[in-house]
Amino acid sequence: KQEVTQIPAALSVPEGENLVLNCSFTDSAIYNLQWFRQDPGKGLTSLLLIQSSQREQTSGRLNASLDKSSGRSTLYIAASQPGDSATYLCAVHTGTASKLTFGTGTRLQVTL
Amino acid sequence: NAGVMQNPRHLVRRRGQEARLRCSPMKGHSHVYWYRQLPEEGLKFMVYLQKENIIDESGMPKERFSAEFPKEGPSILRIQQVVRGDSAAYFCASSPGQIEAFFGQGTRLTVV
Repeated sequence: KQEVTQIPAALSVPEGENLVLNCSFTDSAIYNLQWFRQDPGKGLTSLLLIQSSQREQTSGRLNASLDKSSGRSTLYIAASQPGDSATYLCAVHTGTASKLTFGTGTRLQVTL
Repeated sequence: NAGVMQNPRHLVRRRGQEARLRCSPMKGHSHVYWYRQLPEEGLKFMVYLQKENIIDESGMPKERFSAEFPKEGPSILRIQQVVRGDSAAYFCASSPGQIEAFFGQGTRLTVV
């Protein structure tokens, strides 16, 4: 059974800092991995998708890496801004199951 | 190209009533997934449907819950005889295949 863990559960940083969010998963036989952002009371916004054959993906100030063999992914946010404050969710798609397994998220607060 | 549309956004039901949640996938997407997010918990997979077929319902409670994705019209998640423990945010996602999933804004169900 696939399990996804995200560390830390919560993080508070001052504006401008670079930060790293961690995600680990127990079953390395994944189809892809997605990072999402969820604002309070809102839906999920897809940030980055990494296919199992890829090592990383970049979008603006965001960079996600994937090490499938060790069951790890990181989301790097450069030059953080208060607007980045949200909960960040990592989810893995196990190809045989056709569903996403989510971590419990990292709640990020970027302060002025 | 409109995103995944869910309605209603908020739904209040008394215990014992029925709740119907609707999801219209993105244009061209034939795969629909339903997830539930209980308060202070992560998102949990419920059911995966393609047009007129339930592919994987391993996350659905055995009783009172059902889902459909008819040939015409939105996907429906139906909860009969709701109880307080059903209060949660229900998210629908769609994809054109087993790749990137796009989520709706969710329906927040409150059972009173």
